[in-house]
Amino acid sequence: QQQVKQSPQSLIVQKGGISIINCAYENTAFDYFPWYQQFPGKGPALLIAIRPDVSEKKEGRFTISFNKSAKQFSLHIMDSQPGDSATYFCAARSQGGKLIFGQGTELSVKP
Amino acid sequence: DAGVIQSPRHEVTEMGQEVTLRCKPISGHDYLFWYRQTMMRGLELLIYFNNNVPIDDSGMPEDRFSAKMPNASFSTLKIQPSEPRDSAVYFCASSLSSQNTGELFFGEGSRLTVL
Repeated sequence: QQQVKQSPQSLIVQKGGISIINCAYENTAFDYFPWYQQFPGKGPALLIAIRPDVSEKKEGRFTISFNKSAKQFSLHIMDSQPGDSATYFCAARSQGGKLIFGQGTELSVKP
Repeated sequence: DAGVIQSPRHEVTEMGQEVTLRCKPISGHDYLFWYRQTMMRGLELLIYFNNNVPIDDSGMPEDRFSAKMPNASFSTLKIQPSEPRDSAVYFCASSLSSQNTGELFFGEGSRLTVL
């Protein structure tokens, strides 16, 4: 009920390509779905987030697609750059403010 | 603002020793979270506080782990006695409930190695 499943575990993309990371959840009471980006030696930082009443949100090269009926959401990184190489975590917030994270995806963008 | 401040950044200790990790949240934030990050298990929520009160400690792995928040500007996570399997990066994060996004602000983590 509280799990958020993320795939793939790792991803290699060529510069300029599209990176796609997928997440699935079970608890329909989740009310907020953020993505966090983490660079080595640093804490995760909020990248972009979406609420379940919206199907898509775009901020620059980053887009979240949300499918409420399938209980799935994904992060698309357009025109991927080497500077995007990091670990990405999807997350879901339950009532009371508890944020549950996926397992993480290590993205490597090759020049 | 200085952000979430954690100390120590690195800790190496021997099995059986007591470990205390410290966190100073962002001033004015009313939620504080402790997470543990490992390769195998990813980011696990250990415990979180609202207005200094523990709300959910179901993620605390064992009685060897304890957390306190004596005031709005300080929290500790203690492991006693420590074991090699406790080796991980421990993150503290804070947030402001009135902020619509509910964004968590993370510290840079405390890397714990138990030999």
